[in-house]
Amino acid sequence: SQTIHQWPATLVQPVGSPLSLECTVEGTSNPNLYWYRQAAGRGLQLLFYSVGIGQISSEVPQNLSASRPQDRQFILSSKKLLLSDSGFYLCAWSAQYNEQFFGPGTRLTVL
Amino acid sequence: RKEVEQDPGPFNVPEGATVAFNCTYSNSASQSFFWYRQDCRKEPKLLMSVYSSGNEDGRFTAQLNRASQYISLLIRDSKLSDSATYLCVVLEGGYQKVTFGTGTKLQVIP
Repeated sequence: SQTIHQWPATLVQPVGSPLSLECTVEGTSNPNLYWYRQAAGRGLQLLFYSVGIGQISSEVPQNLSASRPQDRQFILSSKKLLLSDSGFYLCAWSAQYNEQFFGPGTRLTVL
Repeated sequence: RKEVEQDPGPFNVPEGATVAFNCTYSNSASQSFFWYRQDCRKEPKLLMSVYSSGNEDGRFTAQLNRASQYISLLIRDSKLSDSATYLCVVLEGGYQKVTFGTGTKLQVIP
């Protein structure tokens, strides 16, 4: 069966510091991968999606970037965090045009 | 008009009650529809897909009305454990256009 991992689970970072969140998927090949952010009490905002290694599409301009160095690895990064980057970051995978499955998420607080 | 709209609630219902949520979408070309459940401070989890013919899974029934562009979720015999936020998801033309509703909060009361 497929599983999706995210780490770290929680993170507290100062403004201006870098960020690296990692997501890995097991038990499937060539998944579509997604990064979402959910601000407190808000809906899910799609940040990036990827249909293959090195292929990244951005939905919202911001100071975040994403990379997919391996088929089942998706990384979310920032060079300098802003206060507004605080939120619940969720990675998800799907097989083609099907439903998405989410990882446990990373709760990021920028101080 | 938002692409996907849900009543945020909260819907406060007693145990055993039947409750229904609707979710409207604006793009008539939308292809796939899903309901997710999200518990507080947790990731969304797939509850069920929504098929054109409607589908049922135990106490849960999902319906799609393409003419009026909405999907619905019916929960019968509500349990305390059904308390959560229910998100509808609309896919348009594949993976690059996925839109989540902001969710409807359900609170089942003893």
